[in-house]
Amino acid sequence: AQSVSQHNHHVILSEAASLELGCNYSYGGTVNLFWYVQYPGQHLQLLLKYFSGDPLVKGIKGFEAEFIKSKFSFNLRKPSVQWSDTAEYFCAVMDGLTGGGNKLTFGTGTQLKVEL
Amino acid sequence: GAVVSQHPSRVICKSGTSVKIECRSLDFQATTMFWYRQFPKQSLMLMATSNEGSKATYEQGVEKDKFLINHASLTLSTLTVTSAHPEDSSFYICSAWRDIAYEQYFGPGTRLTVT
Repeated sequence: AQSVSQHNHHVILSEAASLELGCNYSYGGTVNLFWYVQYPGQHLQLLLKYFSGDPLVKGIKGFEAEFIKSKFSFNLRKPSVQWSDTAEYFCAVMDGLTGGGNKLTFGTGTQLKVEL
Repeated sequence: GAVVSQHPSRVICKSGTSVKIECRSLDFQATTMFWYRQFPKQSLMLMATSNEGSKATYEQGVEKDKFLINHASLTLSTLTVTSAHPEDSSFYICSAWRDIAYEQYFGPGTRLTVT
């Protein structure tokens, strides 16, 4: 079974600081990787996803993530956070093979608070 | 972008009653929808996969007789919590799989409180 670990449960940053949120997964096969964001009171939105190709993936709102297969990691980064980035961030993994049912396994989430 | 709605957004029911939650994909057809449960300050836990025209597939440990899922059309899936108890109080989130985008689109969630 797949599992996803997000090591940082709560992160507090000042505006303009750089962000890196860790995500590690345990699964030996082909994976598709996702980062979702949940703003207060809103539904989950996709930030970015990785299926294959360039391991450095760029998403919306200036976010990017790097897939490092040898480390089973897919860390999320942003060079300069804004107050509006305050939200909860979820890493998720999907079995990359057909027959996996397109199911997502989520990490426990990281609550990011950006202070002015 | 693709939109998924849920109704109701909040519901309070008495212990022993049943409550139905609807999940609709508003601008695309979804042969597969998913139902999750989210506890406070915790992650989303997949409860079941809802397939249009066939029975839902439940995750291990989820009571299929308590959480009835019906995927009546390509744009609607319903979750009925039967004989609800206070421990069923939670935030229920649905998502719809969009083939063309190869991703799930999430609804805003339904807060269920059982008194």
